[in-house]
Amino acid sequence: DAGVIQSPRHEVTEMGQEVTLRCKPISGHDYLFWYRQTMMRGLELLIYFNNNVPIDDSGMPEDRFSAKMPNASFSTLKIQPSEPRDSAVYFCASRKRQVYGYTFGSGTRLTVV
Amino acid sequence: DAKTTQPPSMDCAEGRAANLPCNHSTISGNEYVYWYRQIHSQGPQYIIHGLKNNETNEMASLIITEDRKSSTLILPHATLRDTAVYYCIPVSYGGYNKLIFGAGTRLAVHP
Repeated sequence: DAGVIQSPRHEVTEMGQEVTLRCKPISGHDYLFWYRQTMMRGLELLIYFNNNVPIDDSGMPEDRFSAKMPNASFSTLKIQPSEPRDSAVYFCASRKRQVYGYTFGSGTRLTVV
Repeated sequence: DAKTTQPPSMDCAEGRAANLPCNHSTISGNEYVYWYRQIHSQGPQYIIHGLKNNETNEMASLIITEDRKSSTLILPHATLRDTAVYYCIPVSYGGYNKLIFGAGTRLAVHP
């Protein structure tokens, strides 16, 4: 079991550019979550999916953010256009129905300059 | 969900028990208490959870007071690798998909 895999580990981009973060959940897990962590705001839930369907996106900061899960083994979080205030560590997590603990990935550290 | 209060930081000597408290005086009857930790530069890691009975697993023990207003996470023999931020999170039944992380307790284990 390779765990939740996120790519890239680090991303540096210029303001205004499109950024795509990727996540591969653990096989067989039913739920997928995207979190963002900053010093000021801590860990924030952005969106979560159940069986590839977005269930709650109330944490998505604004229309510049979008997330998709085209199949059970892949999800993306896209920021277009990116801004310096989007700089943060973005975590993906997954869990299996009836198993209450989440498994988090190692995160993507995004820096927008 | 109930609000929690945790000390911002704690120290512990290697090999000793680390007892991390959490106050959740407004917890409701259907809210579990979950504990996660986050080691530097890593994603949070699930540790343990409980409702009203004490729980133990290979990582830690969880002691919940009878009135459920507070709990203590116990790492029986802390190691340097247990240095992390520990989060106490109340979660309502059926609300497992809305984990809300607070500031947590930064535990430093020293030799």
